[in-house]
Amino acid sequence: EVQLVESGGGLVQPGRSLKLSCVASGFTFSNYGMNWIRQAPGKGLEWVAYISSGSSYIYYAETVKGRFTISRDNAKNTLYLQMTSLRSEDTALYYCARHPPSSYYFDYWGQGVMVTVSS
Amino acid sequence: DIQMTQSPASLSASLGETVTIECRASEDIYNGLAWYQQKPGKSPQLLIYNANSLHTGVPSRFSGSGSGTQYSLKINSLQSEDVASYFCQQYYDYPTWTFGGGTKLELK
Repeated sequence: EVQLVESGGGLVQPGRSLKLSCVASGFTFSNYGMNWIRQAPGKGLEWVAYISSGSSYIYYAETVKGRFTISRDNAKNTLYLQMTSLRSEDTALYYCARHPPSSYYFDYWGQGVMVTVSS
Repeated sequence: DIQMTQSPASLSASLGETVTIECRASEDIYNGLAWYQQKPGKSPQLLIYNANSLHTGVPSRFSGSGSGTQYSLKINSLQSEDVASYFCQQYYDYPTWTFGGGTKLELK
């Protein structure tokens, strides 16, 4: 069974940093592209960042480019999102999500981790 | 970026009814469209990909159709467990994937 379990969220002041983790199980993590997607309270979904299976390709939404860094450790089956210079508008539930082979929809999602940016 | 416009934003329907949700793309997305269901307090779950292919384990009362810029999700014989929000997503525009604003489906 595919499982994605996020952690690392919490309450953080504007301008500070936070690092999210997503541990994968039930599939060969190193074969799949992975993403972070967020959902502000009561709002829709926003794709945040993508990393290819071997970390060769990395892309970000314009809203986070230069502030967030996606990375992965295939030996640990773990995806990361380093978030810096956090703003109130980054407050959201952050999901990690997997791409299936050779396509770019999201076939499995984690349960999400909440990030609240407030003073 | 390709903009995705979903309609209606909310919908109330009765058990056993057929429901249709629409999604319009700002340009042709060549069937690169997925639909997700998000139940209250849960993460999104994939229902449909490639505009009309059913994901593993999804009940056959769900179906997708469309082409070009216009797509739809149909739910036949609405069940109580279908109460959820539904989102479309385009994945034609690599690597800038975008979602519709969502449709909240409630029981009448």
